Amino acid sequence: QKEVEQNSGPLSVPEGAIASLNCTYSDRGSQSFFWYRQYSGKSPELIMFIYSNGDKEDGRFTAQLNKASQYVSLLIRDSQPSDSATYLCAVRGRDDKIIFGKGTRLHILP
Amino acid sequence: EAGVTQFPSHSVIEKGQTVTLRCDPISGHDNLYWYRRVMGKEIKFLLHFVKESKQDESGMPNNRFLAERTGGTYSTLKVQPAELEDSGVYFCASSQSGLAGGDEQYFGPGTRLTVT
Repeated sequence: QKEVEQNSGPLSVPEGAIASLNCTYSDRGSQSFFWYRQYSGKSPELIMFIYSNGDKEDGRFTAQLNKASQYVSLLIRDSQPSDSATYLCAVRGRDDKIIFGKGTRLHILP
Repeated sequence: EAGVTQFPSHSVIEKGQTVTLRCDPISGHDNLYWYRRVMGKEIKFLLHFVKESKQDESGMPNNRFLAERTGGTYSTLKVQPAELEDSGVYFCASSQSGLAGGDEQYFGPGTRLTVT
């Protein structure tokens, strides 16, 4: 059973600090990795994707991928109250199917 | 550019009834996916269309679920007859390319289905 694991949280981070969200996956052959943000009652919104080992930066967001450790993370710099949401990690495996984690609830403290 | 749209936003039906959900993908996106999230669980894959063809329907729970994508544009997901455990939020997503390195999926707002 292929799995994507995330800490459910809530993760509380002071405003202006760095929020670090982590995700591990079981399928070593996974190809693509996505981070979605989901506000309560809303649909998932794609915020980052990464395909190669290393870091990928986009504004305040940085995705980090380590395929050897089967680990992907999302860093949010200068956290804002509007960043409070559930963050979903999604992994595309060798079978082309995307598996979602249950999500981590992030709470930015004003 | 219009995003993925879904209709209805919310449906409440009785056990045994039929419901049809509709998804309109982003224009030009050949790939269309259906997902479902039941209370407290993760989003789970149901099936994947490439244009009008079913590429992968391994996530469909049982034969009460029927998905179609006639003409390779919009898709429908029919549940007949609905059971209590079918309740959840049904998401549709679309992407331009099914290949790794180009498969960023964009989600619709979802249809919340409640079976009573």
